[in-house]
Amino acid sequence: AQRVTQPEKLLSVFKGAPVELKCNYSYSGSPELFWYVQYSRQRLQLLLRHISRESIKGFTADLNKGETSFHLKKPFAQEEDSAMYYCARHGSGNTGKLIFGQGTTLQVKP
Amino acid sequence: EAQVTQNPRYLITVTGKKLTVTCSQNMNHEYMSWYRQDPGLGLRQIYYSMNVEVTDKGDVPEGYKVSRKEKRNFPLILESPSPNQTSLYFCASRTSGLSYNEQFFGPGTRLTVL
Repeated sequence: AQRVTQPEKLLSVFKGAPVELKCNYSYSGSPELFWYVQYSRQRLQLLLRHISRESIKGFTADLNKGETSFHLKKPFAQEEDSAMYYCARHGSGNTGKLIFGQGTTLQVKP
Repeated sequence: EAQVTQNPRYLITVTGKKLTVTCSQNMNHEYMSWYRQDPGLGLRQIYYSMNVEVTDKGDVPEGYKVSRKEKRNFPLILESPSPNQTSLYFCASRTSGLSYNEQFFGPGTRLTVL
C-alpha cells in the first residue's frame, strides 16, 4: 500500500532555530510529492511540490529517492510558521487522490 | 475570488438523521474530492469525481454518498449518520490533467454526530 509517514506529531522550536519536518513515503517509482500547510483557522493550502524545486516562505524540500524521504526544511524558523504541516503524495492511477501523512504540528516559540 | 466553499461550517446532529454537506467551486475544475480529517490519521479520501456524472469511491466511502450533477457542485450525503462519522470534512478541487496540479481545499465542515 502506498503510505506517507510523518513520525513527529509535534515539533517545537525557538524562533530563529532551524526546522526539519520529516516525511517518508513508500517506494513506487517516481512519486509526486507535496507539502501542504494549515494555519490556525485557515484552510489547507499547498506550500510546495517537489517537481517545482521551489522555495516558498523560506521552506525547501528535497526528494531523496534512496531514503524515500521528502523532508521539509527551513534554516531560521519564524513565529508565523506555526501551523500543521502535511506531507502528501499523489496516489496511483487517475483518481487524483492525495495520500496524506498524519501531519506534524510545528510550534515556533518566541 | 477563486475558491472552494462548503456549507455548513459546523453541524451537530443525531444518529440517523440524514444530512448533506454542500461543496461548490468557481474555478471550472473537473476534479473534485471529499476528505475526512481525523487526529493521528491525517486526511483520507472518501469519494472523488473526475467530471460531471463521474464519481468513484475513495479509501473510506462507507456510510457516504455523493453526486455530481453540475460541474461546480459536489455534495456529500450522509443518509444515516453514526457517531464514527464525527470528523472534520474537506472538499477539494483541481483541474484534470497533470497529477501534480495543486488541489484547492474548502474551509472544512466540522460534523458532530451524537
